[in-house]
Amino acid sequence: SQQGEEDPQALSIQEGENATMNCSYKTSINNLQWYRQNSGRGLVHLILIRSNEREKHSGRLRVTLDTSKKSSSLLITASRAADTASYFCATVAGRRALTFGSGTRLQVQP
Amino acid sequence: EAGVTQFPSHSVIEKGQTVTLRCDPISGHDNLYWYRRVMGKEIKFLLHFVKESKQDESGMPNNRFLAERTGGTYSTLKVQPAELEDSGVYFCASSRSDRGLYEQYFGPGTRLTVT
Repeated sequence: SQQGEEDPQALSIQEGENATMNCSYKTSINNLQWYRQNSGRGLVHLILIRSNEREKHSGRLRVTLDTSKKSSSLLITASRAADTASYFCATVAGRRALTFGSGTRLQVQP
Repeated sequence: EAGVTQFPSHSVIEKGQTVTLRCDPISGHDNLYWYRRVMGKEIKFLLHFVKESKQDESGMPNNRFLAERTGGTYSTLKVQPAELEDSGVYFCASSRSDRGLYEQYFGPGTRLTVT
């Protein structure tokens, strides 16, 4: 498996429901970040959680990090149709570049 | 402030031809990164510039790829000669020198199709 693997690969939910996406990684990290990509657009930074943090909130987003299990989760509460996008986790370990997973495609049905 | 821009947005070329992608980072951002996503797989790092210097080019797949950042402003990524497996979306990102480990601002990407 690859560094920063997301699970599930695809998720379809109804508007108003919560969406949870998981990410696993292999090496020690400095921080973990979540990005969103709308179709045909660039990646947009959503939230960053440092290796010494366990949970972080930003609006309707909640991110958790378990360094002992090398995993993270992204929860989007009260989802909206506009949340439809691909979501990627990315880790920073040592060097400054991001290591991405393959992403989760989220479809929110209105 | 203007975001990261990339040109062209889409390029279709034949195998064996040359293509040059351009990235204009956010003004004042010393860090510039190239990534690519091939065949719907994960986004992979290609290389990292700090100003005009290559800080890390460990992700460059082979010597058919040449990146430059003359003057420390915009960057170009040349693929010569292009192969079928080079098809994918090439992303550029930039960040400030003091936030290299944090938020990176991405451009919309260049979709390269090699036929």
